[in-house]
Amino acid sequence: DVKVTQSSRYLVKRTGEKVFLECVQDMDHENMFWYRQDPGLGLRLIYFSYDVKMKEKGDIPEGYSVSREKKERFSLILESASTNQTSMYLCASSLEGGGTDTQYFGPGTRLTVL
Amino acid sequence: GQNIDQPTEMTATEGAIVQINCTYQTSGFNGLFWYQQHAGEAPTFLSYNVLDGLEEKGRFSSFLSRSKGYSYLLLKELQMKDSASYLCAVNAPTGANNLFFGTGTRLTVIP
Repeated sequence: DVKVTQSSRYLVKRTGEKVFLECVQDMDHENMFWYRQDPGLGLRLIYFSYDVKMKEKGDIPEGYSVSREKKERFSLILESASTNQTSMYLCASSLEGGGTDTQYFGPGTRLTVL
Repeated sequence: GQNIDQPTEMTATEGAIVQINCTYQTSGFNGLFWYQQHAGEAPTFLSYNVLDGLEEKGRFSSFLSRSKGYSYLLLKELQMKDSASYLCAVNAPTGANNLFFGTGTRLTVIP
């Protein structure tokens, strides 16, 4: 079974703090994704990566950056957290490109920015 | 832009059949996914359709009509544990190679 893990289930940070969300997958998947999920808006893609050190912007990259130094690990960084970044953050991975591969999701990190 | 529509909420009775619809308008189409998401948990894969027709998998079936931009997820013999959100997602090859998700349909199964 594919396993995608995220470093925290719940996180509370203050406005202006730098926040790191970590995601690790154990199935040697090429692609990794970061989404945020908000009520009434569904899942929206922030960034994705199709290889080590490669990244692409998704639909809502503003205020976020990512890092992929190793194939199994994909980090989402909030350089200066703001209250409008309070959300559920979901990491996902898929085997290879083409977009037809199933994405497997981690359990999510519920981030609250005060 | 990409537009994925599905009802916000549905209620059905244990043992019954329910159909959750999804319509989409996207620039290109590489397939449609259905995911199940229980409250506070990660979405889990249910089905994938890329060709027209019905795909059956146990109590769950998914149908696709590409010409109509339409899909549905059919759940038979509903159980209480089927209470969850059901997410429709379309892969539209915009260059970003990603999935576009609907807002999800929250299904409540009542006794």
